[in-house]
Order: sequence, then structure tokens, then C-alpha cells
Amino acid sequence: TQLLEQSPQFLSIQEGENLTVYCNSSSVFSSLQWYRQEPGEGPVLLVTVVTGGEVKKLKRLTFQFGDARKDSSLHITAAQTGDTGLYLCAGTNSGGSNYKLTFGKGTLLTVNP
Amino acid sequence: NAGVMQNPRHLVRRRGQEARLRCSPMKGHSHVYWYRQLPEEGLKFMVYLQKENIIDESGMPKERFSAEFPKEGPSILRIQQVVRGDSAAYFCASSPNTGNTEAFFGQGTRLTVV
Repeated sequence: TQLLEQSPQFLSIQEGENLTVYCNSSSVFSSLQWYRQEPGEGPVLLVTVVTGGEVKKLKRLTFQFGDARKDSSLHITAAQTGDTGLYLCAGTNSGGSNYKLTFGKGTLLTVNP
Repeated sequence: NAGVMQNPRHLVRRRGQEARLRCSPMKGHSHVYWYRQLPEEGLKFMVYLQKENIIDESGMPKERFSAEFPKEGPSILRIQQVVRGDSAAYFCASSPNTGNTEAFFGQGTRLTVV
């Protein structure tokens, strides 16, 4: 069974600070997706990375996929209160079950004003 | 373009009753996935359906749970004789084809069994 470990589990910071959260596995994934989930809502897709070493930017968010496609990081610059939420990473395998997402448990980010 | 629509948003059932959760995929999407999020757990894959076909139900409990995606109408996740342990958030996601692994999630149905 493939597992995705996310760290830290909880993170509380002040508005304006920078932060990085991590998603690690001992397994290789063909793609990795990051989602943000707010209380009472479904996960909202932020980005998909598919190539080892790939870096994608979404405004103040920077996503990186590890060279070996086993890990990923999300860096937020100058965090805002609106960034508060549960950040989830999810991986897919190559082959016949590439539709199946394996999720980590998430990092719960709180950005304080 | 409306997103994935799930209803009801909240459902309360007594032990032993049946729960029916509905999911209408995004327009143009013919692939539907159901995931369950238990308290303190990550989202877990349950089942993958295409129109009128169950493709992969490996994540679904063998008893009491069933899913369908008929030719017309929404996908239905059915839980018979619910127990307290079934209390969870159930999410549906859809995608246009299996070559694109990006799945778009609905807002979920929060099932509470009392």
C-alpha cells in the first residue's frame, strides 16, 4: 500500500510569513496533486505536477515535485488569512489504476491576522 | 459550468436505516469516483464508475455498500443498514477521461448515524 506522509500536521503562523509544507513517500508516483479543503467543503484542486523536478507557481504558491517523484513541497510566500485551510497532497500511479488518488492526511494551516 | 453537485449536504440516519447519496458530475464528465473521509483520516478511494459500469470497487466495503451510475441521472452511493462507523464525509469526484487524472470534487455529503 502506498502512503503519503504530510508534515507538519498543524501549522499556525502570522500573516505575512512564509511557510513550506511537505509531502513524502517511499513510493514513486506518476503524478501528484495538491488540494486545499476548507471546513465543510470538498477539496479544491490547486495544481498537478507530473515531471520529476518540476516547479509550478500559482501566484504566491510554489509547488515542487521531487526529482525521483517520491516527494513534493508547497511553499507559500507572504501568507494571507485567506490561505487558511487543510492542504492535501494526493498521488496517482502509472498503469491501470492511474485514476485512483492516494491522499495524505493533510497539513492544517492557520494564518492569523 | 456547474461543478460536481452532491446532495444532500447533510444526512442523519438512525442505525439500521438506509442512506442514499447522490452525485451529478460536471458537464461533459463521464467518470465518477467516490471517496470517504473519516474523522482524523485522509480521503480513501471507494469506487470508480463510468456510465452503467463499475470499473473498480476495490475500496468499497463488501457488505452493505453499493454504487451505481445509470445511463440517465446521478450516481448513487447506497449504504444499507447503516452503523455508527459509517459516519463520515462522502465525496464524489468526476473527470472527463482516465487519461486526465485531474479529478474535481463536490462539496460532499456529511452522514451522521445516530
